Amino acid sequence: GQNIDQPTEMTATEGAIVQINCTYQTSGFNGLFWYQQHAGEAPTFLSYNVLDGLEEKGRFSSFLSRSKGYSYLLLKELQMKDSASYLCAVPNQAGTALIFGKGTTLSVSS
Amino acid sequence: EPEVTQTPSHQVTQMGQEVILRCVPISNHLYFYWYRQILGQKVEFLVSFYNNEISEKSEIFDDQFSVERPDGSNFTLKIRSTKLEDSAMYFCASSDLAGEELFFGEGSRLTVL
Repeated sequence: GQNIDQPTEMTATEGAIVQINCTYQTSGFNGLFWYQQHAGEAPTFLSYNVLDGLEEKGRFSSFLSRSKGYSYLLLKELQMKDSASYLCAVPNQAGTALIFGKGTTLSVSS
Repeated sequence: EPEVTQTPSHQVTQMGQEVILRCVPISNHLYFYWYRQILGQKVEFLVSFYNNEISEKSEIFDDQFSVERPDGSNFTLKIRSTKLEDSAMYFCASSDLAGEELFFGEGSRLTVL
């Protein structure tokens, strides 16, 4: 099965950089996803990593180390609108389900 | 931009009643999913569906639940004899390929009284 661990809450200030960590255990690795979920809304896709290394997409970057079972999401130049939950997710071995972690709630203050 | 649509956005029902939640996945997607999120908790996988049959289901998806693709566009989740603990946001999602990015609908909030 899949086991995903990420911090429950984080706080940061506008303009800062924040790193949200995720560790995972899965039988058969098929990539790792990050989603953003604002309160009361649906999750929206942020990034997908299947190979080791850093994937950069604007203010957001995601890193993966398959040997360590570790990923992080890096958010730069934080804005108030970045206050949301950030969900780490991995597919099951068959690729028939995407399993989410409990999410990290990020609060950005001015 | 194509999107997943869900109806109703909010449904209130009495305990023991049957509920049907409807979803229209993105038209060229082949894989369909239902997830549940109880208020303040994680997004939980319920079931995935491909080629007119269930691909995977979680322990939550017991005999109380069923899914159906009644026509070429709709994908429904039926909850028989609802319980108080079924109160949650139910998200439908679809993807083009297995293991690829999921596109979520806006959700249907179910309140069981």
